[in-house]
Amino acid sequence: ETGVTQTPRHLVMGMTNKKSLKCEQHLGHNAMYWYKQSAKKPLELMFVYNFKEQTENNSVPSRFSPECPNSSHLFLHLHTLQPEDSALYLCASSQVVTGGSRDEKLFFGSGTQLSVL
Amino acid sequence: RKEVEQDPGPFNVPEGATVAFNCTYSNSASQSFFWYRQDCRKEPKLLMSVYSSGNEDGRFTAQLNRASQYISLLIRDSKLSDSATYLCVVMGDYKLSFGAGTTVTVRA
Repeated sequence: ETGVTQTPRHLVMGMTNKKSLKCEQHLGHNAMYWYKQSAKKPLELMFVYNFKEQTENNSVPSRFSPECPNSSHLFLHLHTLQPEDSALYLCASSQVVTGGSRDEKLFFGSGTQLSVL
Repeated sequence: RKEVEQDPGPFNVPEGATVAFNCTYSNSASQSFFWYRQDCRKEPKLLMSVYSSGNEDGRFTAQLNRASQYISLLIRDSKLSDSATYLCVVMGDYKLSFGAGTTVTVRA
C-alpha cells in the first residue's frame, strides 16, 4: 500500500555490530529523510537529501552515516551504536516544488524498530 | 519552550462520542499546519492539512487560531478505528516540527 518501503522492519544489534537500514520510494519524489522516533517523544529529523544532495544533518552522531545513491534510495549505515539509540527509525519522502521550497507533505515508510543491546 | 506541544492524553471516549484536543506552537511565523495519524507501531500518515478558515473532512474538523497560536482537531461520532495517536505538525522557516502526539482510545 505504501509508496515508501523500508527494510528491515525489526533489527536487534549489539554495540559492536555494523548494519544498514534501507529505504526505497516509488512516488517519484526528489527529497528523502531519516527521522528517529523514541517513545513518547516527537519525531526528530536526522538527515535530509534533496536531489541526492545532503542538505541537513541535525547534529547526528557520526555512528549514523547516511547514503543516497539516487533519488529513490536511501540508506542509514549504523556502527558502534549505543543502547540509547534504540528507537523507531522512519524514512520519508516528499516532492521539492519549483523554487526550492519543500512540499510539506511527507510520506513515511513503515519504519525499522531498532534495539541496541 | 518546545516548538510544538500537545497534551499526550490518553483521551478515552465511548463510541459515538465527540473528542477534541489542541496543539500549541511557538513560532508565530509558522506557515503550514497538519494533523498526522499514527497507529501503534506503524508509520505516521497524513490525516489532513489545517487551513486558516478551518476545514472539515467527514467526521474530522481542524481549526487554526493564529492569534493564540494553536490548532485543534475535533472528531465527531467516534469509531473504534479512530483509536490512534494524533501528531500535530507545524511548518515554520521551511522546517517541519512534530508534536509528541495525543493518544485517543475509543471504547465499545
